[in-house]
Amino acid sequence: GAVVSQHPSRVICKSGTSVKIECRSLDFQATTMFWYRQFPKQSLMLMATSNEGSKATYEQGVEKDKFLINHASLTLSTLTVTSAHPEDSSFYICSASPGHFYEQYFGPGTRLTVT
Amino acid sequence: DAKTTQPNSMESNEEEPVHLPCNHSTISGTDYIHWYRQLPSQGPEYVIHGLTSNVNNRMASLAIAEDRKSSTLILHRATLRDAAVYYCILRGGGRNAGNMLTFGGGTRLMVKP
Repeated sequence: GAVVSQHPSRVICKSGTSVKIECRSLDFQATTMFWYRQFPKQSLMLMATSNEGSKATYEQGVEKDKFLINHASLTLSTLTVTSAHPEDSSFYICSASPGHFYEQYFGPGTRLTVT
Repeated sequence: DAKTTQPNSMESNEEEPVHLPCNHSTISGTDYIHWYRQLPSQGPEYVIHGLTSNVNNRMASLAIAEDRKSSTLILHRATLRDAAVYYCILRGGGRNAGNMLTFGGGTRLMVKP
């Protein structure tokens, strides 16, 4: 099956700093990628839809200036958590699909801890 | 998006079949039924999907009720590696439907040796 990678897998940062998370589709091109956040013992919550070559679409309640998304190519989307705070500590997961009628392929997730 | 209802948790014995139910009484005619599972500390992985007919693949079977208001994911022989949270998700199949997935609470499957 198709593979989606994320980097880094774990990151610890200090409050007030910014963190960039990369999501790559390794063997297919994806015009759309998705970013999810998952808190402990909870389900995945969609944060935003990343569109190649255009602005991301954010879900209600997600601050676009805090969670910057760049989808510069058909195989790479990045999520930057700016001015991170302890409440941003979470498991961030991306997904991508080769096309609308294909299943979604998920990355392994990035665990962010803000101290 | 139409919602799904799943039991919070289920338990199974190793090497026995497992039937994971999902109710989706407000499903529309173009909604596909998708199942994903998430192992601990990993991203979700695709299991199976269907529209009207029952489906089989190497991982599982999907049985869809005739009125499509419910479905059942069947793991034929549960192993310890099948312990995960299983999500039943409806995904629009219309031309203008978005490609995103909306996750509910899922069913946490525990497999006993």
